[in-house]
Amino acid sequence: DSGVTQTPKHLITATGQRVTLRCSPRSGDLSVYWYQQSLDQGLQFLIQYYNGEERAKGNILERFSAQQFPDLHSELNLSSLELGDSALYFCASSVGLAPETQYFGPGTRLLVL
Amino acid sequence: DAKTTQPPSMDCAEGRAANLPCNHSTISGNEYVYWYRQIHSQGPQYIIHGLKNNETNEMASLIITEDRKSSTLILPHATLRDTAVYYCIVRVPLGTGRRALTFGSGTRLQVQP
Repeated sequence: DSGVTQTPKHLITATGQRVTLRCSPRSGDLSVYWYQQSLDQGLQFLIQYYNGEERAKGNILERFSAQQFPDLHSELNLSSLELGDSALYFCASSVGLAPETQYFGPGTRLLVL
Repeated sequence: DAKTTQPPSMDCAEGRAANLPCNHSTISGNEYVYWYRQIHSQGPQYIIHGLKNNETNEMASLIITEDRKSSTLILPHATLRDTAVYYCIVRVPLGTGRRALTFGSGTRLQVQP
């Protein structure tokens, strides 16, 4: 158990819909990262927040957005969903800005039908 | 981040040592070597990291060659639960800009009973 929690574990929705994935980092960790892992691609970094502020962006689509709240939990919002958005979405946390020792959550499996 | 090369797959007998190689011939002096693994569909798990000295923790040992152009992750007594994809990542700890980890294809280790 990494100490990072993600909800829900599974999500099935339809194209065009909007969903929200939630992540609670390890106690004391200020950085939260979001990754996407689809079948045909490896882990792709989406976005990082540190202590409530966006710090780095990766290959995140404009239809996707995220935020980190004062209690440090984070939400990833995916809108206008397409079939290709079906993937595993992982959240990770680390103590500071340096991302090397990251602790990953169990992931949310999203299926868009 | 320096480019890394890992074999796509390896087999290991249960109870034997698993030696996973990684080539990083373009590594620079201030870049560290990090290892993560991902057990099927779970979040990646941090294993170990090092700069130039050999490192050992409760999970594994990391051997870095003197010229630092390659390294080997050693699982001393592999078990079936060590079956996973292992990722070797090389980067500067406090690199600016891209703060996320870049996961390549990794090595798929299959531990055989």
